[in-house]
Amino acid sequence: NAGVTQTPKFRILKIGQSMTLQCTQDMNHNYMYWYRQDPGMGLKLIYYSVGAGITDKGEVPNGYNVSRSTTEDFPLRLELAAPSQTSVYFCASSYRDPANYGYTFGSGTRLTVV
Amino acid sequence: AQSVTQLDSHVSVSEGTPVLLRCNYSSSYSPSLFWYVQHPNKGLQLLLKYTSAATLVKGINGFEAEFKKSETSFHLTKPSAHMSDAAEYFCVVSIYGGSQGNLIFGKGTKLSVKP
Repeated sequence: NAGVTQTPKFRILKIGQSMTLQCTQDMNHNYMYWYRQDPGMGLKLIYYSVGAGITDKGEVPNGYNVSRSTTEDFPLRLELAAPSQTSVYFCASSYRDPANYGYTFGSGTRLTVV
Repeated sequence: AQSVTQLDSHVSVSEGTPVLLRCNYSSSYSPSLFWYVQHPNKGLQLLLKYTSAATLVKGINGFEAEFKKSETSFHLTKPSAHMSDAAEYFCVVSIYGGSQGNLIFGKGTKLSVKP
């Protein structure tokens, strides 16, 4: 049981480039999330999904896009990378209402935009 | 609106001494509360959770937290710190059955343990 798998672990992008951060979970969780973590700021929610075909914006969605075509996968797309997107990105999932179940986190993707 | 405040950004203790990491929350509803731990360059791991059952919650690695509604607090404690406890700790709040179904994270408390 792999849990939540994120790829890549590290990436350096040039300003204006695009990339997709991959997230896959094998626990049949309905809820999936993308957070970014900046030093001293905690975690900020970017996008979330409560099931295949359903996505919604979180607190800091600008500059990002997501899709949820299957229960297992929840990729995060950066279209035009900017230095402000330098951060550590975490994908998380939850079986149902996370108020009861909490999250299972991936190990993160460290992204640097130069 | 729901929010969570971690009162210390950095706590330093000596090995073998007690640990206290403070967390206050604000919620219009009966909250669920969590503590997560993040070791350097790692993902976040659930330490413990409160979901309206017993107010004293025991977690992994000897940590526990007490839910105090009158003080709107959920402080994390451990009787005796170990070097391996050095990490960043996040207090998290959620509303049971909230429409967004997501968790709100505090800014984190970095715990240092001196030998």
